[in-house]
Amino acid sequence: AQKITQTQPGMFVQEKEAVTLDCTYDTSDPSYGLFWYKQPSSGEMIFLIYQGSYDQQNATEGRYSLNFQKARKSANLVISASQLGDSAMYFCAMSSGSSNTGKLIFGQGTTLQVKP
Amino acid sequence: NAGVMQNPRHLVRRRGQEARLRCSPMKGHSHVYWYRQLPEEGLKFMVYLQKENIIDESGMPKERFSAEFPKEGPSILRIQQVVRGDSAAYFCASSPGQGLPDTQYFGPGTRLTVL
Repeated sequence: AQKITQTQPGMFVQEKEAVTLDCTYDTSDPSYGLFWYKQPSSGEMIFLIYQGSYDQQNATEGRYSLNFQKARKSANLVISASQLGDSAMYFCAMSSGSSNTGKLIFGQGTTLQVKP
Repeated sequence: NAGVMQNPRHLVRRRGQEARLRCSPMKGHSHVYWYRQLPEEGLKFMVYLQKENIIDESGMPKERFSAEFPKEGPSILRIQQVVRGDSAAYFCASSPGQGLPDTQYFGPGTRLTVL
């Protein structure tokens, strides 16, 4: 069965510093996708970044990058130059590329607080 | 290009009433997913639909819950005879369904409170 684990319930980071949010996954599918979403206190889910299991390079989107270590089954999110607006809940999620459904399996989330 | 629309944003029901949650996908998206989020938890998959078809309902409770995505109009998640345990945020997501990455974009959610 597929599973996503986020072991950090809460994290603090100083404004302008970088922070890494951990995510490990478990799947037997050779083809899968890994996603990170941000959920601010207002409640909406905002797509941040995607990594495919066959991608050779780590994904980057602006200040977000994904540290993809396939052998260790980890897909950590790195936020550089943290801003106050980055304070939110962050969810790692996975989809299977070999099934007929693209449903996402979510981790429990990590609450990030950026200190001024 | 409007994003995923959900309404209502907040819904209050008494035990035993029906709840209808609506979702309009992004323009050009033909795949719709429903997820439920209990307080302090991650999202849990409920159902995946394409136009007029339910593709995967493995996360849907067997009783009282149903979903549809008609040829015309929004997708509807229907909860009959609601109970307090149904109180949660219900999110709809849509995707274009054109291979990987088939990124899902989420609506703002409907917060259901059962009194």
